[in-house]
Formats: sequence, C-alpha cells, structure tokens
Amino acid sequence: GAGVSQSPRYKVTKRGQDVALRCDPISGHVSLYWYRQALGQGPEFLTYFNYEAQQDKSGLPNDRFSAERPEGSISTLTIQRTEQRDSAMYRCASSLGGTGGGGYTFGSGTRLTVV
Amino acid sequence: GENVEQHPSTLSVQEGDSAVIKCTYSDSASNYFPWYKQELGKRPQLIIDIRSNVGEKKDQRIAVTLNKTAKHFSLHITETQPEDSAVYFCAASMRDSNYQLIWGAGTKLIIKP
Repeated sequence: GAGVSQSPRYKVTKRGQDVALRCDPISGHVSLYWYRQALGQGPEFLTYFNYEAQQDKSGLPNDRFSAERPEGSISTLTIQRTEQRDSAMYRCASSLGGTGGGGYTFGSGTRLTVV
Repeated sequence: GENVEQHPSTLSVQEGDSAVIKCTYSDSASNYFPWYKQELGKRPQLIIDIRSNVGEKKDQRIAVTLNKTAKHFSLHITETQPEDSAVYFCAASMRDSNYQLIWGAGTKLIIKP
C-alpha cells in the first residue's frame, strides 16, 4: 500500500483479555518495527523483523508480549492477559532496510486502553 | 551500545527566528542520522536525514549538520512558522545494525506568535 496501515485505530479491552494489533507495512519494505509511545514521550522500541525473521525482541517488556511476521509482510503484535499498564499508543514502522537506507515510515498507531 | 542525547528538551522561539536542536551520539560507527517531526496526536514523520559522508544537508528552511569528530549533529530551522510547533526527535543508526534507530528523547519546539 501507499503507507503503513495499522488496525484497529483504537482498542478498548478489559484487563486479562488478549489483544492482537496488526501492521501492514509499505510493500517491499524489508524491515518492520514495533514501538510503544506514551503521551509526551519518544518511541520505545519493542521488536523488529527483517522479512519474516525476528531480529531483536529485547524491547518486549515481558513474556506476555509477542510478535510475528510469518510471510515477511503483515505483522501482528499480541499482548496476552492485558494489564492496565499496557495502555499506550502502539506504533508500527517499516523501512527498506539493508542497503536501501534507514528512513522509517510510521503508521497511525493503535491506541490501546486496558480498563 | 549506541546512546543518543538530545538538547534542549523544550525550546521556545519567536516566530520568524531560528531554532537549533542538538544531538550527540556515542558510537563512532553510526552513519545515518534522521530527524523526525511529531505533531500533537500524529505519527512521527521523517523530515530530513544525513549520512556520515556528508557534513551538511539543506531542504528549504531546514538543515542538518554533522560533526563526526565531535559526534554531534544538529537540526536548524530558519524563519520559523507556527506550523513548525511539534516535538522533534533525532536518531542515530548504522548500516551494520540494519539501521535500527536509537532515538533521542525529543525536543518540544514552541513557536511564539
């Protein structure tokens, strides 16, 4: 597509429920990144993929968070047994990666609220 | 690992004046330095970037300078306008790490009318 698409835009869930956040990167972008951003703060790195391979998951807060990108395109970030502290804006970004250069394009984000 | 520091955290300038935001990085292997602008409630957007083989890059009212020896780079905005009000993030990365960005903490730029 023309840009990075994330869905849903807003998600309200009850504490303890699982949620799945979706990211559809720009076609042809090799690298895909997940960030979390609190209001007034910079992006907090969670994890990233090159093609379908998860290269770095050091930013995932705990084992309730997981991500996949099975076919090297769309990615899903899953949060199990959500807690109120998980409430944040979750942003996905993609880039050409490798020799293509480093510029990221961000999606509009998913605003997650855990009640 | 790489560490990026950004100053100031808040910058208030009179409309029409210039604004300068500075970042320092720690890893001399870093070779790509983008700047992102994030308006309230919107996504971060790349506004300009520079690679380590270049000392300065300009795009209309914005410019970025890089001093590899001192390991710092700066964003310069001239003739500031109200629409320049936003949070600006610098970042550093290197090709060897697939350009995974290390972010500065952000600068809130306020343009006073």
